[in-house]
Amino acid sequence: AQSVAQPEDQVNVAEGNPLTVKCTYSVSGNPYLFWYVQYPNRGLQFLLKYITGDNLVKGSYGFEAEFNKSQTSFHLKKPSALVSDSALYFCAVRDIIGGGYNKLIFGAGTRLAVHP
Amino acid sequence: EPEVTQTPSHQVTQMGQEVILRCVPISNHLYFYWYRQILGQKVEFLVSFYNNEISEKSEIFDDQFSVERPDGSNFTLKIRSTKLEDSAMYFCASRSGQRGVETQYFGPGTRLLVL
Repeated sequence: AQSVAQPEDQVNVAEGNPLTVKCTYSVSGNPYLFWYVQYPNRGLQFLLKYITGDNLVKGSYGFEAEFNKSQTSFHLKKPSALVSDSALYFCAVRDIIGGGYNKLIFGAGTRLAVHP
Repeated sequence: EPEVTQTPSHQVTQMGQEVILRCVPISNHLYFYWYRQILGQKVEFLVSFYNNEISEKSEIFDDQFSVERPDGSNFTLKIRSTKLEDSAMYFCASRSGQRGVETQYFGPGTRLLVL
């Protein structure tokens, strides 16, 4: 079965420092991977995705993610964290079962806290 | 930029009552989804909908749940007889269906509280 793991419940970073939020996946075939962010009392906002092509994907708000097939990872990164980046981050993989309807399977989420 | 919208933002109901959660997907999108997030837990898939019928549903989506696209714009989730454990944030999402465009766009959610 397809699955996503986010091994860290929380990541603490000082403002201005680089941040990494980890994600590993388990899928059959080629993965379609996504990162979403959830601010308090808000919905899920799409950040970036990997479908195919360049392993380094750039997304919204200065975030990027690196697809690593050998390590089955898709870690989210940002060179310089902002306090406003503090939120809940979800990694997701597209399920390949179900034909073209393809639900998303989410990780448990990682809370990012950026301290001034 | 087009957005998925959901109403109401909050709903409080008594156990056993029916609730209808409403969503307006992005206008040219073809695939529609409902997910839920119980407080402090991961986002879980409920159901997908395409071409006016359910294409996939999870174990959570039992006979108490139904979905409908009553017109060209709305997409609704009905819970016939709510239970305490239905308390959650419910998210609607839509996807265009264009080849290679796999992104699902989510609405802001409806927070349902069953008392």
